[in-house]
Amino acid sequence: GIQVEQSPPDLILQEGANSTLRCNFSDSVNNLQWFHQNPWGQLINLFYIPSGTKQNGRLSATTVATERYSLLYISSSQTTDSGVYFCAVNSGGSNYKLTFGKGTLLTVNP
Amino acid sequence: NAGVTQTPKFQVLKTGQSMTLQCAQDMNHNSMYWYRQDPGMGLRLIYYSASEGTTDKGEVPNGYNVSRLNKREFSLRLESAAPSQTSVYFCASPPGSFATGELFFGEGSRLTVL
Repeated sequence: GIQVEQSPPDLILQEGANSTLRCNFSDSVNNLQWFHQNPWGQLINLFYIPSGTKQNGRLSATTVATERYSLLYISSSQTTDSGVYFCAVNSGGSNYKLTFGKGTLLTVNP
Repeated sequence: NAGVTQTPKFQVLKTGQSMTLQCAQDMNHNSMYWYRQDPGMGLRLIYYSASEGTTDKGEVPNGYNVSRLNKREFSLRLESAAPSQTSVYFCASPPGSFATGELFFGEGSRLTVL
């Protein structure tokens, strides 16, 4: 099956810093999503981005499908950005049989 | 509008006991999914239901059964719980197309098997 690798596994920032999270995948995809899991365990969808670039406030994401990677940018980080960021992909079929990466644990210190 | 609701939120079982995790969505979505999350891991798909009356295995179905009771409800049953099934379980429901891409998750059910 498709493999998903995320880097870095852990990241510690000071409030106000910028960061880039990376997701590499081993096959072509028709669905790629970024999720944030907050410290209370809640999973929130950030972006649906199988290709191209999207922005939502301080967050933006870019997927280069031909090179099989996606990047999540967090600018002017805040303590509420802390948590685990997951990349998830689907490589076939019209369903949400997503394969998740292991995530990047982000800690933003005040 | 509650979205996706899971019960119970916490459960402790002894090895060999059975239990059912319940999931309900009020968004009139066709498909529903059960994932499990283990420490340091992403989520792994256990079973899914593309529509009412259908269910299919995901990546890690062994030890589980599911029932799609109606369009709203999708339950996950552990017939004989094992310590390896200690995990956080998430139910999810996506809209019918990828147009919005948003996958709605429940709050999770934390299960410990002793």
